[in-house]
Amino acid sequence: QVTLKESGPVLVKPTETLTLTCTVSGFSLSNARMGVSWIRQPPGKALEWLAHIFSNDEKSYSTSLKSRLTISKDTSKSQVVLTMTNMDPVDTATYYCARDIAGSGRFDPWGQGTLVTVSS
Amino acid sequence: QSALTQPASVSGSPGQSITISCTGTSSDVGSYNLVSWYQQHPGKAPKLMIYEGSKRPSGVSNRFSGSKSGNTASLTISGLQAEDEADYYCCSYAGSSTFGVVFGGGTKLTVL
Repeated sequence: QVTLKESGPVLVKPTETLTLTCTVSGFSLSNARMGVSWIRQPPGKALEWLAHIFSNDEKSYSTSLKSRLTISKDTSKSQVVLTMTNMDPVDTATYYCARDIAGSGRFDPWGQGTLVTVSS
Repeated sequence: QSALTQPASVSGSPGQSITISCTGTSSDVGSYNLVSWYQQHPGKAPKLMIYEGSKRPSGVSNRFSGSKSGNTASLTISGLQAEDEADYYCCSYAGSSTFGVVFGGGTKLTVL
C-alpha cells in the first residue's frame, strides 16, 4: 500500500522559511518514472502545484514561486523535503505531497495534507 | 502557467448525467493527452479519478469518464449518486521546458 505523510510546523511567522517533509512508504524514491510533487490549497480556494522531484533527481518548480522554493530528497529515508522562503500570510494553505507518476500530472495517491498558517 | 478554466458549479439529480468542462490553451490541454481529474470531498485530500485524458485508476467507478476536444477537456459522471457531491479539479501537463503542471479553478458538484 502506497502512503505519503506530510510533517512540519503548523504556524510560521512572516519572512520565516517553511520546511516541510513528506515521508513515503510502499514505493521507492528511486523507482523509475516515479516522483513526488508538492501541491497547496489555500482555505476555500483551488489547488496549486508547487514543485516536483523525479527519481533521477530532476527537479521542477512553479514559475511564479521558483525563486522561493527548493525541493530535495533523501532516498534512504524515503523523504522529500520542500523549503519555501520569505513566508507571507497569503501562503497560508494546506500543503499536500503526492506521488507523481511519470511527471504527467498524474498524482496518486495524496498525503492527508498539513495546514500551515502564516501569522505573527 | 495560467489556471485552466472550469465552471464554478454544476448540479444534477440522482441518476442523471453531468459534464464538467476544463478549458486550457494550445500550450497545455490542446498539446498533450495528459489531463487528469481529481475529486475532493470537504476536509479530505484529492483523489485521482481520471488520468491521461480518459483512463480510470483501479477502483474508480466506470460512471466517471473523460474526453477531450481541442483545448477543452471534459469529465462526465453518469448515474449521479449522492456521494458524487464534491469539488472536482482538472489538471494538465504543460510542457517539459518548465515541466509545468497547471490546475483548474475547481467545480462544485451539487447532487439535488
